[in-house]
Amino acid sequence: GEDVEQSLFLSVREGDSSVINCTYTDSSSTYLYWYKQEPGAGLQLLTYIFSNMDMKQDQRLTVLLNKKDKHLSLRIADTQTGDSAIYFCSNRESNDMRFGAGTRLTVKP
Amino acid sequence: KAGVTQTPRYLIKTRGQQVTLSCSPISGHRSVSWYQQTPGQGLQFLFEYFSETQRNKGNFPGRFSGRQFSNSRSEMNVSTLELGDSALYLCASNPRVARGVSGANVLTFGAGSRLTVL
Repeated sequence: GEDVEQSLFLSVREGDSSVINCTYTDSSSTYLYWYKQEPGAGLQLLTYIFSNMDMKQDQRLTVLLNKKDKHLSLRIADTQTGDSAIYFCSNRESNDMRFGAGTRLTVKP
Repeated sequence: KAGVTQTPRYLIKTRGQQVTLSCSPISGHRSVSWYQQTPGQGLQFLFEYFSETQRNKGNFPGRFSGRQFSNSRSEMNVSTLELGDSALYLCASNPRVARGVSGANVLTFGAGSRLTVL
């Protein structure tokens, strides 16, 4: 099966909060990551969380980690049109990082 | 400092041809990994190179190959192209010097090479 699974699409209105969910199977990694891909570009690191943490907040971003359920989520507060992108989670520590299909976030004005 | 540079950005090939894509990592980064991105399969790992050696390989046929040079620049080659090889090929570089080094493993991606096979 897949290492990580994400829902494919999410649509929100500008100003609302967005929550992107991810489930994974391999729990051995020390860190878990969120990457963002804007149209026509490669992936860029958005944030990551140490596996011993339950939550990490970074400005408008909040990452929640439930190790028992192997569930990772990314919350974007006050979502803006510039947040429209594809978001990938990853849980592999080595350089052969495995990503899911990504969640395409669409922000409507 | 310069980011990860991939060339060419766009190319069109026909079935049966071969293609070579190039990736120049961030200066000082010795690890380069390659990914294929398609709408149907998402982002899939191809292979990883470190110090001119392939360290890991994804589940792709032998038509997909790569190499890394002494200056850490990497190339990937796809022979006997098929329609299904149409994709965005992404390269990522990483400063990690060896497995097991502590700290978050942050990949820096290039903008990709978009290959269309007709």
